[in-house]
Amino acid sequence: QKEVEQNSGPLSVPEGAIASLNCTYSDRGSQSFFWYRQYSGKSPELIMFIYSNGDKEDGRFTAQLNKASQYVSLLIRDSQPSDSATYLCAVNFSGGSNYKLTFGKGTLLTVNP
Amino acid sequence: DTAVSQTPKYLVTQMGNDKSIKCEQNLGHDTMYWYKQDSKKFLKIMFSYNNKELIINETVPNRFSPKSPDKAHLNLHINSLELGDSAVYFCASSQGGPGDTQYFGPGTRLTVL
Repeated sequence: QKEVEQNSGPLSVPEGAIASLNCTYSDRGSQSFFWYRQYSGKSPELIMFIYSNGDKEDGRFTAQLNKASQYVSLLIRDSQPSDSATYLCAVNFSGGSNYKLTFGKGTLLTVNP
Repeated sequence: DTAVSQTPKYLVTQMGNDKSIKCEQNLGHDTMYWYKQDSKKFLKIMFSYNNKELIINETVPNRFSPKSPDKAHLNLHINSLELGDSAVYFCASSQGGPGDTQYFGPGTRLTVL
C-alpha cells in the first residue's frame, strides 16, 4: 500500500512567522509532488508542484523535495491569517496509473493575528 | 466561467435511495476524477476517466457507478445509499499526463439519513 503521511496538526504559528509543513511518502520511485490548500468548506486548490530535488519558490511559498529521504515540505514565509487552512500533500506514485494522485490526510494550519 | 462545476451542491436523502451527482468541466481536459472526502478530511480517489475510458477504479462498492457521456462530463450514480456514504464528493479534471495539476469542483455534500 503506497502511502503519504502528514502530521495532522493543528499547527499554530503567529502572524509573520514561517510555517513549515512536512510530508513523507512510501514509494521511492515517485515522480511528482503537489501541495494543495483547502479552506474549510471549500475545494482543494493547487499551491505548488515540484518534480526535482531541491527547493522551488513561488512568492511566500517554498516547496522542498528530498527524494533520498522521501520527504517533501512546504514553507510559508510571513504567514498571514488568510493562510489558515488545511494543507494537503499529494504524490503521483510510480508504476501505477499516471493519472492517480494519493493524498495525505492534511495538516491544519492556524495563523494567529 | 466556472471551470469544474458539480450539481447538486447539497444532497440529503434516506438510506436505500438512489442518487446521482453530475460534473462538468469546460477546461478542455482529457481526464476527470471522482474523489470522496470523509469527515476526517481524508481525500481518496474513487474513479478516473480519460477520454470517456475508465482508467482508475479503486476499491469502491459496486453501488457506485460512474458514467462519462463525453470527456467534459463525468457523473456518479449511487444505488442503495448507506449511512457510510455520507461525505463530500469532489469532481476534478486534469489535462492528463504524469502528475498534471488537478482542478477541483466545489464539491457535493451528501448526507444519508
